[in-house]
Amino acid sequence: DQQVKQNSPSLSVQEGRISILNCDYTNSMFDYFLWYKKYPAEGPTFLISISSIKDKNEDGRFTVFLNKSAKHLSLHIVPSQPGDSAVYFCAAVGFAGTASKLTFGTGTRLQVTL
Amino acid sequence: KAGVTQTPRYLIKTRGQQVTLSCSPISGHRSVSWYQQTPGQGLQFLFEYFSETQRNKGNFPGRFSGRQFSNSRSEMNVSTLELGDSALYLCASSSRHSGNEQYFGPGTRLTVT
Repeated sequence: DQQVKQNSPSLSVQEGRISILNCDYTNSMFDYFLWYKKYPAEGPTFLISISSIKDKNEDGRFTVFLNKSAKHLSLHIVPSQPGDSAVYFCAAVGFAGTASKLTFGTGTRLQVTL
Repeated sequence: KAGVTQTPRYLIKTRGQQVTLSCSPISGHRSVSWYQQTPGQGLQFLFEYFSETQRNKGNFPGRFSGRQFSNSRSEMNVSTLELGDSALYLCASSSRHSGNEQYFGPGTRLTVT
């Protein structure tokens, strides 16, 4: 049962244009969401996060939007750069007592072309 | 500040053997989580340790186990290895100051033949 879904396994965008990566979730108990970027042979790197009390969070070229009613979030990268080429994972936090664990999507491979 | 380190980086084992992977968290981080990454499955949560206690566990069989030491270093063990255990095993650490953000190590690539 995939509670966090990234339905696009890959995305190709031209340098300078906007990249939009999408993520859907099914568990209404999730209340914190994160995006990670992963290069080959490296661990995921935290990119940006958003709490469910917000609908937008911005950090430089990266903006995450959250639509709670649709259980959907998206990551916008503007402008896209070749160095942004990586696999992007969406993750959600579900709490179990005092502990927390990240539930990840399957990732979207972004390729930024020249 | 040094990041999360994992050893070894690469490992080849045969079916039926057991393996132990090690993780050293960022200094001051007391929570360590383990994840398994396989193609098409993304990252699957294995377990989380905090102050030497397992706080949360994912849906993996009992062959997968872990522990945490008083210095917050953690190990995970997989017994009776199966071909399907071939994966990248990632360790992540966090502190109450980092909130929900977890910081990942480079992973250990395990290949079971």
